[in-house]
Amino acid sequence: SAVISQKPSRDICQRGTSLTIQCQVDSQVTMMFWYRQQPGQSLTLIATANQGSEATYESGFVIDKFPISRPNLTFSTLTVSNMSPEDSSIYLCSVETQGALLYTFGSGTRLTVV
Amino acid sequence: QKEVEQDPGPLSVPEGAIVSLNCTYSNSAFQYFMWYRQYSRKGPELLMYTYSSGNKEDGRFTAQVDKSSKYISLFIRDSQPSDSATYLCAMSIFNTDKLIFGTGTRLQVFP
Repeated sequence: SAVISQKPSRDICQRGTSLTIQCQVDSQVTMMFWYRQQPGQSLTLIATANQGSEATYESGFVIDKFPISRPNLTFSTLTVSNMSPEDSSIYLCSVETQGALLYTFGSGTRLTVV
Repeated sequence: QKEVEQDPGPLSVPEGAIVSLNCTYSNSAFQYFMWYRQYSRKGPELLMYTYSSGNKEDGRFTAQVDKSSKYISLFIRDSQPSDSATYLCAMSIFNTDKLIFGTGTRLQVFP
């Protein structure tokens, strides 16, 4: 299965600032996915990033708040913009592996906004 | 009502016990069912997956799906302290890429 490197692993940020999270995969993949995992809540899909096209956002998530880049088939970034304490969460990237809708996850970025 | 319901626990069992983890769901369109294990400060890792009703066994783990009851289970036999983690059920609809997760059940196996 694919190996995903996600950076940073954690960060503490001031409200009003932005943080860009990077996701690097060791093989080419068509789609990359960004999830949020809030304390006590289920993983929630933020958006799907295809190389060469605009990301597709899930209900409740907008591009201005979570801009995504997908410059090639092995890399993606998620930016959390104009952060507030409510954005404190774990953010994870994921790719489909082994075909048949099976997914591998990065180790996550633990974000705390103060 | 959430699409997927999962008891958050925590569930604390002695080493060697049989553990039963469960999820219920409301959307009958779900076709693919997965269990992920997530250790503290790590991303989820795929443990088991199945596409059909019935049982699927892999070592000490058995995944069970009952589509008629919209109920899935993960059984862990001879549980070990190394099994201590959060277990997440996940499911998806045929021909879509979107996974719907349960909230996860935190399991602790004590020696």
